[in-house]
Amino acid sequence: QSALTQPRSVSGSPGQSVTISCTGTSTDVGGYNYVSWYQQHPGKAPKLVIYDVSKRPSGVPDRFSGSKSGNTASLTISGLQAEDEADYYCCSYAGTYTLVFGGGTMLTVL
Amino acid sequence: EVQLLESGGGLVQPGGSLRLSCAASGFTFSSYPMGWVRQAPGKGLEWVSVISGGGGSTYYADSVKGRFTNSRDNSKNTLYLQMNSLRADDTAVYYCAKTESWIRVDVWGQGTTVTVSS
Repeated sequence: QSALTQPRSVSGSPGQSVTISCTGTSTDVGGYNYVSWYQQHPGKAPKLVIYDVSKRPSGVPDRFSGSKSGNTASLTISGLQAEDEADYYCCSYAGTYTLVFGGGTMLTVL
Repeated sequence: EVQLLESGGGLVQPGGSLRLSCAASGFTFSSYPMGWVRQAPGKGLEWVSVISGGGGSTYYADSVKGRFTNSRDNSKNTLYLQMNSLRADDTAVYYCAKTESWIRVDVWGQGTTVTVSS
Protein backbone atom coordinates (compact mmCIF):
# COMPACT_ATOMS: atom_id res chain seq x y z
CA GLN A 1 0.00 0.00 0.00
CA SER A 2 2.62 2.55 -1.06
CA ALA A 3 1.42 6.10 -1.53
CA LEU A 4 1.00 7.44 -5.04
CA THR A 5 3.69 9.90 -6.14
CA GLN A 6 2.82 13.56 -6.61
CA PRO A 7 5.05 16.63 -6.96
CA ARG A 8 5.34 18.42 -3.63
CA SER A 9 4.44 21.79 -5.11
CA VAL A 10 3.36 23.56 -8.29
CA SER A 11 2.63 27.17 -8.99
CA GLY A 12 1.06 29.40 -11.61
CA SER A 13 -0.17 32.91 -12.19
CA PRO A 14 -3.85 33.86 -12.32
CA GLY A 15 -5.35 32.87 -15.66
CA GLN A 16 -2.66 30.30 -16.42
CA SER A 17 -2.99 26.51 -16.41
CA VAL A 18 -1.23 24.03 -14.16
CA THR A 19 -1.04 20.26 -14.25
CA ILE A 20 -0.46 17.99 -11.27
CA SER A 21 0.72 14.45 -11.91
CA CYS A 22 0.02 11.34 -9.88
CA THR A 23 2.07 8.22 -10.53
CA GLY A 24 1.19 4.79 -9.28
CA THR A 25 1.53 1.23 -10.51
CA SER A 26 -0.40 -1.30 -12.55
CA THR A 27 -2.13 -2.46 -9.37
CA ASP A 28 -3.73 0.91 -8.66
CA VAL A 29 -3.73 3.85 -11.12
CA GLY A 30 -2.88 1.72 -14.13
CA GLY A 31 -5.26 -1.07 -13.24
CA TYR A 32 -8.52 0.83 -12.75
CA ASN A 33 -10.26 3.89 -14.12
CA TYR A 34 -11.08 4.90 -10.56
CA VAL A 35 -8.80 7.86 -9.92
CA SER A 36 -10.23 10.74 -7.91
CA TRP A 37 -8.82 14.12 -6.95
CA TYR A 38 -9.44 16.16 -3.80
CA GLN A 39 -8.91 19.81 -2.99
CA GLN A 40 -8.07 20.72 0.60
CA HIS A 41 -7.84 24.25 1.94
CA PRO A 42 -5.93 24.79 5.21
CA GLY A 43 -7.84 23.52 8.23
CA LYS A 44 -10.67 22.19 6.10
CA ALA A 45 -11.85 18.75 5.04
CA PRO A 46 -10.96 17.57 1.54
CA LYS A 47 -13.47 18.15 -1.28
CA LEU A 48 -13.95 15.90 -4.30
CA VAL A 49 -13.18 17.72 -7.57
CA ILE A 50 -12.64 14.86 -10.06
CA TYR A 51 -13.73 11.21 -10.00
CA ASP A 52 -13.44 8.23 -12.32
CA VAL A 53 -10.34 9.85 -13.88
CA SER A 54 -12.12 12.69 -15.65
CA LYS A 55 -15.65 13.26 -14.33
CA ARG A 56 -16.60 16.39 -12.41
CA PRO A 57 -19.10 16.39 -9.53
CA SER A 58 -21.94 18.85 -9.74
CA GLY A 59 -20.81 22.32 -8.75
CA VAL A 60 -17.13 21.90 -9.64
CA PRO A 61 -16.08 24.41 -12.32
CA ASP A 62 -15.16 23.03 -15.75
CA ARG A 63 -11.73 24.62 -15.25
CA PHE A 64 -10.89 21.38 -13.47
CA SER A 65 -10.18 18.39 -15.70
CA GLY A 66 -8.56 14.99 -15.30
CA SER A 67 -6.87 12.41 -17.47
CA LYS A 68 -4.83 9.23 -17.27
CA SER A 69 -2.13 7.52 -19.30
CA GLY A 70 -0.77 4.20 -18.15
CA ASN A 71 0.20 4.40 -14.49
CA THR A 72 0.03 8.22 -14.33
CA ALA A 73 -3.03 10.35 -13.77
CA SER A 74 -3.15 14.13 -14.12
CA LEU A 75 -5.25 17.00 -12.84
CA THR A 76 -5.28 20.18 -14.89
CA ILE A 77 -6.63 23.46 -13.60
CA SER A 78 -7.06 26.09 -16.27
CA GLY A 79 -7.79 29.78 -15.82
CA LEU A 80 -6.19 29.73 -12.36
CA GLN A 81 -7.96 31.76 -9.71
CA ALA A 82 -6.79 32.81 -6.27
CA GLU A 83 -9.27 30.47 -4.59
CA ASP A 84 -7.66 27.49 -6.31
CA GLU A 85 -4.66 27.84 -3.99
CA ALA A 86 -4.85 24.67 -1.87
CA ASP A 87 -3.42 21.20 -1.42
CA TYR A 88 -4.48 18.60 -3.98
CA TYR A 89 -4.51 14.86 -3.43
CA CYS A 90 -5.00 12.08 -5.92
CA CYS A 91 -6.53 8.79 -4.89
CA SER A 92 -6.90 5.46 -6.65
CA TYR A 93 -8.81 2.28 -6.03
CA ALA A 94 -6.18 -0.38 -5.37
CA GLY A 95 -8.26 -3.55 -5.39
CA THR A 96 -9.66 -5.63 -2.50
CA TYR A 97 -11.81 -2.69 -1.37
CA THR A 98 -8.79 -0.50 -0.55
CA LEU A 99 -7.89 3.02 -1.58
CA VAL A 100 -4.47 4.63 -1.83
CA PHE A 101 -3.76 8.36 -1.73
CA GLY A 102 -0.98 10.45 -3.14
CA GLY A 103 1.33 12.45 -0.92
CA GLY A 104 -0.31 15.73 -1.88
CA THR A 105 0.68 18.75 -3.97
CA MET A 106 0.62 22.33 -2.74
CA LEU A 107 -0.67 24.68 -5.42
CA THR A 108 0.44 28.29 -5.12
CA VAL A 109 -1.26 30.99 -7.19
CA LEU A 110 1.38 33.65 -7.68
CA GLU B 1 -28.02 17.69 2.70
CA VAL B 2 -25.53 14.89 3.32
CA GLN B 3 -23.66 15.41 6.60
CA LEU B 4 -21.09 13.47 8.59
CA LEU B 5 -20.26 14.57 12.13
CA GLU B 6 -17.35 12.96 13.96
CA SER B 7 -16.80 12.95 17.70
CA GLY B 8 -14.69 11.19 20.29
CA GLY B 9 -11.23 12.54 19.56
CA GLY B 10 -8.88 13.65 22.29
CA LEU B 11 -5.59 13.12 24.07
CA VAL B 12 -4.65 9.55 24.99
CA GLN B 13 -1.48 7.96 26.31
CA PRO B 14 0.54 5.49 24.23
CA GLY B 15 -0.97 2.04 24.57
CA GLY B 16 -4.39 3.47 25.35
CA SER B 17 -7.73 3.20 23.58
CA LEU B 18 -10.24 5.59 22.07
CA ARG B 19 -13.53 5.19 20.19
CA LEU B 20 -14.52 7.60 17.45
CA SER B 21 -18.10 8.04 16.29
CA CYS B 22 -19.53 9.47 13.10
CA ALA B 23 -23.19 10.45 12.92
CA ALA B 24 -24.54 10.44 9.37
CA SER B 25 -27.59 12.18 7.94
CA GLY B 26 -29.13 13.13 4.62
CA PHE B 27 -28.73 9.77 2.85
CA THR B 28 -29.64 6.10 3.22
CA PHE B 29 -26.77 5.19 5.52
CA SER B 30 -27.07 1.41 5.24
CA SER B 31 -26.72 1.53 1.46
CA TYR B 32 -23.15 2.81 1.43
CA PRO B 33 -19.75 1.50 2.46
CA MET B 34 -18.26 3.91 4.99
CA GLY B 35 -14.66 4.53 5.84
CA TRP B 36 -12.05 6.39 7.84
CA VAL B 37 -9.18 8.45 6.47
CA ARG B 38 -6.57 10.13 8.64
CA GLN B 39 -4.12 12.97 8.24
CA ALA B 40 -1.11 13.33 10.51
CA PRO B 41 -0.01 16.89 11.31
CA GLY B 42 1.50 18.48 8.22
CA LYS B 43 1.20 15.24 6.28
CA GLY B 44 -0.97 13.76 3.54
CA LEU B 45 -4.12 11.69 3.60
CA GLU B 46 -3.97 8.02 4.59
CA TRP B 47 -6.78 5.53 4.00
CA VAL B 48 -7.44 3.65 7.26
CA SER B 49 -10.45 1.37 6.89
CA VAL B 50 -13.75 0.73 5.12
CA ILE B 51 -16.85 -1.25 6.09
CA SER B 52 -19.63 -2.60 3.89
CA GLY B 53 -23.14 -1.20 4.04
CA GLY B 54 -24.43 -4.12 6.06
CA GLY B 55 -21.38 -4.17 8.31
CA GLY B 56 -20.40 -7.72 7.48
CA SER B 57 -17.13 -6.93 5.69
CA THR B 58 -14.30 -4.73 6.87
CA TYR B 59 -10.91 -3.87 5.40
CA TYR B 60 -7.92 -2.16 7.01
CA ALA B 61 -4.63 -0.53 6.15
CA ASP B 62 -1.65 -2.62 7.26
CA SER B 63 -0.65 0.16 9.66
CA VAL B 64 -3.77 -0.35 11.82
CA LYS B 65 -4.68 -3.97 11.17
CA GLY B 66 -5.21 -5.86 14.42
CA ARG B 67 -5.43 -2.66 16.49
CA PHE B 68 -8.41 -0.77 15.00
CA THR B 69 -11.97 -2.03 14.53
CA ASN B 70 -14.42 -0.39 12.16
CA SER B 71 -18.10 -1.00 12.91
CA ARG B 72 -21.50 0.55 12.29
CA ASP B 73 -25.00 0.68 13.75
CA ASN B 74 -27.39 1.20 10.85
CA SER B 75 -30.32 1.69 13.23
CA LYS B 76 -28.54 4.77 14.59
CA ASN B 77 -26.93 5.90 11.31
CA THR B 78 -23.61 5.86 13.11
CA LEU B 79 -20.12 4.66 12.20
CA TYR B 80 -17.49 3.80 14.81
CA LEU B 81 -13.73 3.34 14.94
CA GLN B 82 -12.40 1.53 18.00
CA MET B 83 -8.71 2.25 18.33
CA ASN B 84 -6.60 0.13 20.68
CA SER B 85 -2.87 -0.05 21.42
CA LEU B 86 -2.48 3.51 20.21
CA ARG B 87 0.96 4.76 19.21
CA ALA B 88 2.43 8.21 18.71
CA ASP B 89 2.26 7.77 14.94
CA ASP B 90 -1.53 7.36 15.17
CA THR B 91 -1.71 11.07 16.03
CA ALA B 92 -3.85 12.61 13.28
CA VAL B 93 -7.10 14.20 12.27
CA TYR B 94 -9.51 11.34 11.58
CA TYR B 95 -12.11 11.91 8.87
CA CYS B 96 -15.29 9.93 8.48
CA ALA B 97 -15.88 9.20 4.81
CA LYS B 98 -18.87 8.14 2.74
CA THR B 99 -17.72 6.05 -0.18
CA GLU B 100 -19.34 5.51 -3.54
CA SER B 101 -19.23 1.82 -4.44
CA TRP B 102 -15.95 1.41 -2.51
CA ILE B 103 -14.01 3.23 -5.24
CA ARG B 104 -13.88 6.80 -3.96
CA VAL B 105 -14.78 9.08 -1.08
CA ASP B 106 -17.52 11.47 -2.14
CA VAL B 107 -18.39 13.08 1.21
CA TRP B 108 -16.10 13.90 4.13
CA GLY B 109 -16.80 14.79 7.73
CA GLN B 110 -15.13 17.78 9.34
CA GLY B 111 -12.63 15.57 11.20
CA THR B 112 -11.79 14.84 14.82
CA THR B 113 -8.31 15.14 16.29
CA VAL B 114 -6.58 12.27 18.05
CA THR B 115 -3.35 12.97 19.91
CA VAL B 116 -1.31 10.10 21.33
CA SER B 117 1.21 11.42 23.82
CA SER B 118 2.39 10.90 27.36
